[in-house]
Amino acid sequence: ETGVTQTPRHLVMGMTNKKSLKCEQHLGHNAMYWYKQSAKKPLELMFVYNFKEQTENNSVPSRFSPECPNSSHLFLHLHTLQPEDSALYLCASSVGAYSYEQYFGPGTRLTVT
Amino acid sequence: AQTVTQSQPEMSVQEAETVTLSCTYDTSENNYYLFWYKQPPSRQMILVIRQEAYKQQNATENRFSVNFQKAAKSFSLKISDSQLGDTAMYFCAFMKDTGGGNKLTFGTGTQLKVEL
Repeated sequence: ETGVTQTPRHLVMGMTNKKSLKCEQHLGHNAMYWYKQSAKKPLELMFVYNFKEQTENNSVPSRFSPECPNSSHLFLHLHTLQPEDSALYLCASSVGAYSYEQYFGPGTRLTVT
Repeated sequence: AQTVTQSQPEMSVQEAETVTLSCTYDTSENNYYLFWYKQPPSRQMILVIRQEAYKQQNATENRFSVNFQKAAKSFSLKISDSQLGDTAMYFCAFMKDTGGGNKLTFGTGTQLKVEL
């Protein structure tokens, strides 16, 4: 599969669960991003990684924990989430951090019950 | 801080017709980029078109073109000969051009439905 892939595509979890979202890019890019997309709100940038180093944490609560083991993989570890965390979580990559063209994955639809 | 406003939450257009989606932005920067991204239902968001602020000529990509009015801080997207596959959420986005560390700022999106 080419481009940016995300798994799982759908996830339902209870507030006490721990789960992880996975993102993989096959484009040879060096930067990866996590965004949160909620209905009727602009996309919110959560984290940015450039060459595996976190360069941006946009005041995200600690119940969201990112991990970037290499430039091709990005994880978002979730624990003790709240119902308001239900959203579409999008991963993106680009050649370098904040390159003007970002390539997005299909997203993980997360529902917190 | 930059803001991007899309005042049309939903729009519809008949197949083969032309539709224009509106976007305005607020910035004190002189150099920046503007984008339109398309997010089809249950599919990945893709870049439709890009405009550099220093270019006076409006960008075009096949059936997609923009009307960039820098003084008015307006950046509308025109879709000509609309097709059913154009049905999607369209996001306008802004990025400063200061050599790095620049974030994409998105609008709230316009849901476009192309009807038979």
